[in-house]
Amino acid sequence: KAGVTQTPRYLIKTRGQQVTLSCSPISGHRSVSWYQQTPGQGLQFLFEYFSETQRNKGNFPGRFSGRQFSNSRSEMNVSTLELGDSALYLCASSLGHDTQYFGPGTRLTVL
Amino acid sequence: GNSVTQMEGPVTLSEEAFLTINCTYTATGYPSLFWYVQYPGEGLQLLLKATKADDKGSNKGFEATYRKETTSFHLEKGSVQVSDSAVYFCALSTSGNTPLVFGKGTRLSVIA
Repeated sequence: KAGVTQTPRYLIKTRGQQVTLSCSPISGHRSVSWYQQTPGQGLQFLFEYFSETQRNKGNFPGRFSGRQFSNSRSEMNVSTLELGDSALYLCASSLGHDTQYFGPGTRLTVL
Repeated sequence: GNSVTQMEGPVTLSEEAFLTINCTYTATGYPSLFWYVQYPGEGLQLLLKATKADDKGSNKGFEATYRKETTSFHLEKGSVQVSDSAVYFCALSTSGNTPLVFGKGTRLSVIA
């Protein structure tokens, strides 16, 4: 079975721009979660989608948003980028109530 | 709230040495416990898990036992290899669909 895929793997943006990241879960998985990883804050939960509905949300500003499509693929969007948004963004999928499997991440650099 | 505390790194060991990375947790209810590993430039890989007290998770020579009485889930390996060099994260998830809560990670370097 193919694992979780994330595109693109690397992104460079400037302050004020917006960005969209994509995640394709493992086939059959209906839950997709997003995490932000930074050296200072570690791994922090952004949000989770299950069957196209946001089921959980972390403590991030409204500039961070996401959605999930009927095929379980998910996108997250960050608007009005700030330098502090530079991070590795990780997507994880699961069947719904159990072990999460992570993708390779998207490395976002904001200049 | 839920939290995970892991020993601070970095940890440097010689090849074939014994490894222990301590992990303790605070959680309401009965969490599932996980160890994930992150190799340089990659995402997280599930290393092992345990879902109830006294369960032992194991994979690739690594082991961890869910100790409810000490709220711990320490990671051990009897003989490390250079290829084990990575960052190790302890994490928990409480019942239902709650997100993973991670420790800060422990960087392991194994030298030949």
